Amino acid sequence: EAGVVQSPRYKIIEKKQPVAFWCNPISGHNTLYWYLQNLGQGPELLIRYENEEAVDDSQLPKDRFSAERLKGVDSTLKIQPAELGDSAVYLCASSSTAGTGELFFGEGSRLTVL
Amino acid sequence: QKEVEQNSGPLSVPEGAIASLNCTYSDRVSQSFFWYRQYSGKSPELIMSIYSNGDKEDGRFTAQLNKASQYVSLLIRDSQPSDSATYLCATHPKYGNKLVFGAGTILRVKS
Repeated sequence: EAGVVQSPRYKIIEKKQPVAFWCNPISGHNTLYWYLQNLGQGPELLIRYENEEAVDDSQLPKDRFSAERLKGVDSTLKIQPAELGDSAVYLCASSSTAGTGELFFGEGSRLTVL
Repeated sequence: QKEVEQNSGPLSVPEGAIASLNCTYSDRVSQSFFWYRQYSGKSPELIMSIYSNGDKEDGRFTAQLNKASQYVSLLIRDSQPSDSATYLCATHPKYGNKLVFGAGTILRVKS
């Protein structure tokens, strides 16, 4: 069974440019998460989806970040415009049931903003 | 006060020794607890979950939970160099579905 797939793995952009990350969760997993991980820190939740619905986006900086999960499967996280402080690893994870702490993570997308 | 606190390490142990990783949490109503392992440059991988007070063993790994002390630990017996990684503690509050991670403890097992 395929795991969580993310792309791109690496992205280098100039500040003020837009960037988008894509995630395909494990088949049948209705819950999808986007986490941000800075160097030396644990992952921090940006947004959680139950099917198509964003049920927790309280930590998503809505002035520049947006996310969508059309049809309740794939998801896209967008940053526009990117700032230097956005350099981090963006992790997508999925789980089979809501409210579980047993998450399956993708390989992550490492963003460098110059 | 951080919700989940871990000593950043690095914790260095010789091969074959027991590695003890500790975690404290501030939310007294937290119900479930998890240990994730993260190799350098890789994503976190769940290795243990524990939901009730006491010990839970899985191979060389033992998770220990003490809710009264708000303390959870991970013991790795017969540590191997391949166990060298960052270990992330995470808690799942009773109310709300946000999994909260600690900053992780770096473990180095020396051969």
